[in-house]
Amino acid sequence: QKEVEQDPGPLSVPEGAIVSLNCTYSNSAFQYFMWYRQYSRKGPELLMYTYSSGNKEDGRFTAQVDKSSKYISLFIRDSQPSDSATYLCAMGKDSSASKIIFGSGTRLSIRP
Amino acid sequence: NAGVTQTPKFQVLKTGQSMTLQCAQDMNHEYMSWYRQDPGMGLRLIHYSVGAGITDQGEVPNGYNVSRSTTEDFPLRLLSAAPSQTSVYFCASSRSGAGVGNEQFFGPGTRLTVL
Repeated sequence: QKEVEQDPGPLSVPEGAIVSLNCTYSNSAFQYFMWYRQYSRKGPELLMYTYSSGNKEDGRFTAQVDKSSKYISLFIRDSQPSDSATYLCAMGKDSSASKIIFGSGTRLSIRP
Repeated sequence: NAGVTQTPKFQVLKTGQSMTLQCAQDMNHEYMSWYRQDPGMGLRLIHYSVGAGITDQGEVPNGYNVSRSTTEDFPLRLLSAAPSQTSVYFCASSRSGAGVGNEQFFGPGTRLTVL
């Protein structure tokens, strides 16, 4: 079993919809959680990170962590065609870690 | 600043050949890492370095060597290429680690095919 599971998609939604992307994990030692966005044929770029259970908002993006369920989510409000990309979750065991574990990524397409 | 640069962008090798993937950063970052990305597998850490002269293994180090003689450069060497090493390789760097507050900046990737 992988330490981090992520539905690969593809997920296709119309412009303006609310998008929900999710990851589950098995190791309760994970303490901090990140979301990366990767456009086609580009390197990933950090979108958001959280260090505790609860919600963190940044513009149209909200990251949610539920440690009791080992479940994290990324919500995108008012989705735009420019949000079309692959979204990867990542997580680490402590704030000074040298290694993080990535999910396999969910491919998202926003239809104009 | 150029950020993280990788060369070559594309490479085709025959089984058994060796080659070096180059990675350089101009942000004076201490931490550098190499990942491979395969369909359905996400990014997997190959090797990483927390500073010049210091390297360590990640999840999938077999068949790869690294060295870090300068802060700027972190080359990845394939010793004897195998078809299982066909992948997209990403180099990344950050101020001091992979944890919170240390955003990793990724290069554009090298697409490697081993025949």
